[in-house]
Amino acid sequence: QSVLTQPPSVSGAPGQRVTVSCTGSSSNIGAGYGVHWYQQLPGTAPKLLIYGNNNRPSGVPDRFSGSKSDTSASLAITGLQAEDEADYYCQSYDSSLSGVVFGGGTKLTVL
Amino acid sequence: QVQLLESGPGLVKPSETLSLTCTVSGGSISNDYWSWVRQPPGKGLEWIGYIYYSGNTNYNPSLKSRVTISVDKSKNQFSLRLNSVTAADTAVYYCARMTYCSGGSCYPGGFFDSWGQGTLGTVPS
Repeated sequence: QSVLTQPPSVSGAPGQRVTVSCTGSSSNIGAGYGVHWYQQLPGTAPKLLIYGNNNRPSGVPDRFSGSKSDTSASLAITGLQAEDEADYYCQSYDSSLSGVVFGGGTKLTVL
Repeated sequence: QVQLLESGPGLVKPSETLSLTCTVSGGSISNDYWSWVRQPPGKGLEWIGYIYYSGNTNYNPSLKSRVTISVDKSKNQFSLRLNSVTAADTAVYYCARMTYCSGGSCYPGGFFDSWGQGTLGTVPS
């Protein structure tokens, strides 16, 4: 069981907006540690998508955005495209564990 | 852009040691943190640990008793050793660069901005 909780799956039609939630606790997200998001396309390594709650690395489309509130965070994808079909992971730091923690991952299906 | 490439034996016998190396190119291994993350088949990501170029380490508490991460600055490489492996250690092992700051801001706890392609480590049951 992951320290950060994500829904196993989400889906949406092309052009729609979907969100992926990431729920933590007072020892990680709620303690002020940054939330970071990764996209893992089938058969490939994870790729940094969002860092520091809501910042996009160079080259990541502005269709992807992140937000954080209290002990939770969310990844939003607007204008959904077929190429967005992938697994998405949130990541933070946990002070109780003194280490990096990941969410269990969310599979996005584009209908 | 830094590139990372994992290498090492793909098959390890139960109770033996899994040894992997990550070669960093396109930049120096100095002044950064370097990490290992694994992913069992069909499952999520699990952080194993990280090392600073100076040699300071931090390991996942659930693996700490079996893990050693080391760095070889002369070869621009860092390595993972996982002892007493079982079938539960079968996974794709990724090496990654861990950073704390980007765009003028810093984030305690860090995040992974560059990843290797991953290598499958199999422990037969």
